[in-house]
Amino acid sequence: SQTIHQWPATLVQPVGSPLSLECTVEGTSNPNLYWYRQAAGRGLQLLFYSVGIGQISSEVPQNLSASRPQDRQFILSSKKLLLSDSGFYLCAWSQGRTDTQYFGPGTRLTVL
Amino acid sequence: GENVEQHPSTLSVQEGDSAVIKCTYSDSASNYFPWYKQELGKRPQLIIDIRSNVGEKKDQRIAVTLNKTAKHFSLHITETQPEDSAVYFCAASGRDDKIIFGKGTRLHILP
Repeated sequence: SQTIHQWPATLVQPVGSPLSLECTVEGTSNPNLYWYRQAAGRGLQLLFYSVGIGQISSEVPQNLSASRPQDRQFILSSKKLLLSDSGFYLCAWSQGRTDTQYFGPGTRLTVL
Repeated sequence: GENVEQHPSTLSVQEGDSAVIKCTYSDSASNYFPWYKQELGKRPQLIIDIRSNVGEKKDQRIAVTLNKTAKHFSLHITETQPEDSAVYFCAASGRDDKIIFGKGTRLHILP
């Protein structure tokens, strides 16, 4: 069966510091991968998605970037965090466009 | 691109009553419609989905209906229980490799 991992689970970072969040999927190959952000009490904002190694589509222009160095690894990064980057970051995978997206456990990021 | 509207944003029902959440979508090419439940502090989890070749699907107390002509779909929860309290998201497949989510409905089950 497939499993999706995210780490760290929680993170507290100062404004202006860098960020690296990692997501890995097990038990499948060539998945679609997604990064979402959820502000407190709000909906799911799609940040990036990838249909293959090195292929990244950006949904929202901001100070975040994403990379997919391996088939089942998806990384979200920032060089300098802003207060507005605080939120619950969720990685998800699916086997195709019209297949179910399965979410990872999430990373709760607080920027102070 | 695809746009998904979800109503209501908040819904309170008495325990044992039914709850209905409605969504509309804009892209007639959309053919996959999942529903997710998100409990406080946890990840969204799929509870039911429907594809455009089906008008209704049931799973115990949960059902989803789809009207392709009107481009709307609904989630029905019968005999609501306290553990049904959560935020529910509808979604629709987009033309590319994305699923477009509604803004969510916070469901409160009142004792």
